[in-house]
Amino acid sequence: NAGVMQNPRHLVRRRGQEARLRCSPMKGHSHVYWYRQLPEEGLKFMVYLQKENIIDESGMPKERFSAEFPKEGPSILRIQQVVRGDSAAYFCASSSGLKETQYFGPGTRLLVL
Amino acid sequence: DQQVKQNSPSLSVQEGRISILNCDYTNSMFDYFLWYKKYPAEGPTFLISISSIKDKNEDGRFTVFLNKSAKHLSLHIVPSQPGDSAVYFCAASASGGGADGLTFGKGTHLIIQP
Repeated sequence: NAGVMQNPRHLVRRRGQEARLRCSPMKGHSHVYWYRQLPEEGLKFMVYLQKENIIDESGMPKERFSAEFPKEGPSILRIQQVVRGDSAAYFCASSSGLKETQYFGPGTRLLVL
Repeated sequence: DQQVKQNSPSLSVQEGRISILNCDYTNSMFDYFLWYKKYPAEGPTFLISISSIKDKNEDGRFTVFLNKSAKHLSLHIVPSQPGDSAVYFCAASASGGGADGLTFGKGTHLIIQP
């Protein structure tokens, strides 16, 4: 299965801890996008990355959130000092290029206690 | 300010009939539109897309119509099947710059009744 992989699928953290979400894009894709879905809401764009570059982070909260897509390995979305409001489903998508169709992973469901 | 709106949270259709899901947008810069289908606890699955230079795109049982003047698009599924029961998201993107994030509507939950 060469689809977009995300892990973990479920993550439980206590307030103040750090959450690390990983995304491996589809084979041959070098563009990665992160989205967040709150309950009863649509997906909200957070950040768009290419290898070693953040292209657009207009949807990222200014504090505590960061993302990277290193030359080797998966893309990482990092949330420091999590709060209850960070509880959501976080989806990663990948594409083969700008304006190409984005294909989504299964998501990571983060629960902050 | 919601730039992509799906005003029907849910829609119930009988199996074999046509399902029509609607989507409105406000940003005139949007030039590429997509529909995704999502089952619970899974990621969205790409269904069909349309560029603003077209007004219709068809793929099997799925057809998307775009009315640029009304800033409206719709997804037609015919005939509807039980496996079509899912949440359907409309999404849009705008050209220009390096920004390529999609703007999503809140989704419509389609229920196909036997």
